[in-house]
Amino acid sequence: EVQLVESGGGLVQPGGSLRLSCAASGFTFSGYEMHWVRRAPGKGLEWVSYISTSGSTIYYADSVKGRFTISRDNAKNSLYLQMNSLRAEDTAVYYCAREEKDGYNFDYWGQGTLVTVSS
Amino acid sequence: QSALTQPRSVSGSPGQSVSISCTGTSSDVGSYNYVSWYQQHPGKAPKLMIYDVTKRPSGVPDRFSGSKSGNTASLTISGLQAEDEADYYCCSYAGSYPYVFGTGTKVTVL
Repeated sequence: EVQLVESGGGLVQPGGSLRLSCAASGFTFSGYEMHWVRRAPGKGLEWVSYISTSGSTIYYADSVKGRFTISRDNAKNSLYLQMNSLRAEDTAVYYCAREEKDGYNFDYWGQGTLVTVSS
Repeated sequence: QSALTQPRSVSGSPGQSVSISCTGTSSDVGSYNYVSWYQQHPGKAPKLMIYDVTKRPSGVPDRFSGSKSGNTASLTISGLQAEDEADYYCCSYAGSYPYVFGTGTKVTVL
């Protein structure tokens, strides 16, 4: 069974940092492209970042570029999101999502981890 | 990259059909047949309902269907059921960006 389990969320002050993790199981993690997607309170889903299977290709949404860093450790079946210079508008539930192999959609999602940026 | 435009809400009685539009641009919806739709119940993870405009993943009821014309995609729920009440999001591949979501639509079953 495919499972994605996020962790690392919490309360952080504006300007602070946080590192999210996503533990994957039930599939060959190294063979899948991965993403982070977020949903702010009262708002819709927003794509945040993408990483290729090897980690050699990475993309970011304009709203997080220069502040967030996506990475992966295929040996540990884990995906990460390092978030620096956090702002109030980064408050959201962050989901890791698997991209369907050779597809253009997100076929599995984690349950999400809440990040709250507030003083 | 701007979010795709969806109606804020749609509603229908059990058994009726409802449709949700998703309007993008020639850079996303209009350029690629890679529109997907996600259902999200409160406090739950999004669930893939439609991919590649019209395809249904295994286990998704056939009352869910998708279509596209030009820069606008649509999700239709036929024979609306109580458990279909949720938020729905479209998403389009957009090339180098590479994905953009819709603004979201709340479906209410009256």
